[in-house]
Amino acid sequence: DADVTQTPRNRITKTGKRIMLECSQTKGHDRMYWYRQDPGLGLRLIYYSFDVKDINKGEISDGYSVSRQAQAKFSLSLESAIPNQTALYFCATSDPGRNEAFFGQGTRLTVV
Amino acid sequence: GEDVEQSLFLSVREGDSSVINCTYTDSSSTYLYWYKQEPGAGLQLLTYIFSNMDMKQDQRLTVLLNKKDKHLSLRIADTQTGDSAIYFCAETPSGGYNKLIFGAGTRLAVHP
Repeated sequence: DADVTQTPRNRITKTGKRIMLECSQTKGHDRMYWYRQDPGLGLRLIYYSFDVKDINKGEISDGYSVSRQAQAKFSLSLESAIPNQTALYFCATSDPGRNEAFFGQGTRLTVV
Repeated sequence: GEDVEQSLFLSVREGDSSVINCTYTDSSSTYLYWYKQEPGAGLQLLTYIFSNMDMKQDQRLTVLLNKKDKHLSLRIADTQTGDSAIYFCAETPSGGYNKLIFGAGTRLAVHP
């Protein structure tokens, strides 16, 4: 089983709909992240959380919200999806003592 | 500010060496990373280098860091078709947090 699991893997949704992307991890890490990947832009940080009570905005948080339901779960919501939120979304976890981030397989989201 | 730049494409012949370059702007970066992304997959950490080092070797991979020029490179010796992927350079900016700033990624194509 994957250490970092994202659901769904693929999703097509309509403009204006609310959608939630979910991430769960079995690595026992406190730190979790949401990134989006766009061609030619690399990965950009949306939100990150260093523990259950800590939520921080990344460089492109507008239009997104997150919820850290437990140490192992970190979900990303688009309250009202728009087409330029079409992208590949990655969840990641890290252990501050290891200097390594572990990524999920990604969720490909298309907003039509 | 924090910025990481890479060229977008590299094409090499199988068996040759590949060199992927990256420049960054944050001179206080503590760690610099190379991640590999294969088609349809998440990111996998290849290697990382601490900012007080200038070289790190791991089997076919050699990382060179020039702190003065803020330049990082990844050399892959004896490049194989299985090395075809997107390679991301990333840094952890000053502040001590595990918040990764990524470059846009270099797509490496290996041809016979």
